[in-house]
Amino acid sequence: KAGVTQTPRYLIKTRGQQVTLSCSPISGHRSVSWYQQTPGQGLQFLFEYFSETQRNKGNFPGRFSGRQFSNSRSEMNVSTLELGDSALYLCASSLVNARVTNTGELFFGEGSRLTVL
Amino acid sequence: GNSVTQMEGPVTLSEEAFLTINCTYTATGYPSLFWYVQYPGEGLQLLLKATKADDKGSNKGFEATYRKETTSFHLEKGSVQVSDSAVYFCALKGFQKLVFGTGTRLLVSP
Repeated sequence: KAGVTQTPRYLIKTRGQQVTLSCSPISGHRSVSWYQQTPGQGLQFLFEYFSETQRNKGNFPGRFSGRQFSNSRSEMNVSTLELGDSALYLCASSLVNARVTNTGELFFGEGSRLTVL
Repeated sequence: GNSVTQMEGPVTLSEEAFLTINCTYTATGYPSLFWYVQYPGEGLQLLLKATKADDKGSNKGFEATYRKETTSFHLEKGSVQVSDSAVYFCALKGFQKLVFGTGTRLLVSP
């Protein structure tokens, strides 16, 4: 069974640009969560999607947005990039049903490493 | 809110040494507790979990016991290997999102 796939793996942008990251979950997983990982802040929760609906959201500004498609694939977008947005963005999928937000058992991709210059 | 505190790293050990990585938590209710591991250049992998007090999670020689009285979930391994070198994250799951600690880097030398 294929794991969680994130693209692109590496990208470099300049301040003010925008970026879109993609995540394909494990087949059958309908929940997708996004995390930002930085050396200073560790792992910070961005948002979680289930069946194309955002169910949870972390404390990030509105420049960070996401969506989920009917095939459970997800994208996140960061607009007006700042230097502090440089990070590893991790996507994780989970096998849950509509009643359970998630079990805590997440399957992570390898991440998309964003560098903002 | 819910939070997890881990010991600062790096933890440096020789092969076959005993490992303990401390983790304590603050949470309302009865959270589930987890250890995740991140090998260099990879995403996180679930290592073990415990869903209620006194449960012991174990996997690949690693163990952790859910101690409600001390709000702790310390990770242990009797004999570490060089291949165990990685960053270890303690995490808890309350009602909603999974909350991670800051991670502890383990370096094992031959």
